[in-house]
Amino acid sequence: AQSVTQPDIHITVSEGASLELRCNYSYGATPYLFWYVQSPGQGLQLLLKYFSGDTLVQGIKGFEAEFKRSQSSFNLRKPSVHWSDAAEYFCAVGDTGGFKTIFGAGTRLFVKA
Amino acid sequence: NAGVTQTPKFQVLKTGQSMTLQCAQDMNHNSMYWYRQDPGMGLRLIYYSASEGTTDKGEVPNGYNVSRLNKREFSLRLESAAPSQTSVYFCASSDRSGLETQYFGPGTRLLVL
Repeated sequence: AQSVTQPDIHITVSEGASLELRCNYSYGATPYLFWYVQSPGQGLQLLLKYFSGDTLVQGIKGFEAEFKRSQSSFNLRKPSVHWSDAAEYFCAVGDTGGFKTIFGAGTRLFVKA
Repeated sequence: NAGVTQTPKFQVLKTGQSMTLQCAQDMNHNSMYWYRQDPGMGLRLIYYSASEGTTDKGEVPNGYNVSRLNKREFSLRLESAAPSQTSVYFCASSDRSGLETQYFGPGTRLLVL
């Protein structure tokens, strides 16, 4: 069965520092991978997605993610974090049937001044 | 455009009571979804509607029913609420499938006593 693991429940980084959020997936075929962000009290917003092609994917708000098939990973990165990036981040994998997206448990990002 | 709207924003129920959560989207999307979000568990799919007139079970459908009233509206009903259904409920929509961007509503916070 497909699954998504986000090993870090929460991460704290200083404003201006770089960020990497980890995501590992389990899926038999080529995965459809997503990163969503949830600001406090809000719904989720798509940051980026990977279906095929270039393994480095650019998203909104300066985020990028790299798909590594050999490591079953899809880590999210940002070179310089802003205080407004404080939120919860969810990695997700979509099945080939197209409708059952599996979300990870999420990583909450805290940004300190 | 309002995007995806949900009502109510917050609800308290007693065990055994029933209620319907409403969701509407104004993006002319074909597919709609209901998720629940619990601490440490990410989002889990309850039901989805691939297109008007169809509904299918997701990962955690027990205790819930849904109705795709028309292309815009997708409601979630709890017939006899249980404390285990205390959660935050999100509705989402996408153009054709979950492999495309899902747009989320702001959520309904439900407390069952």
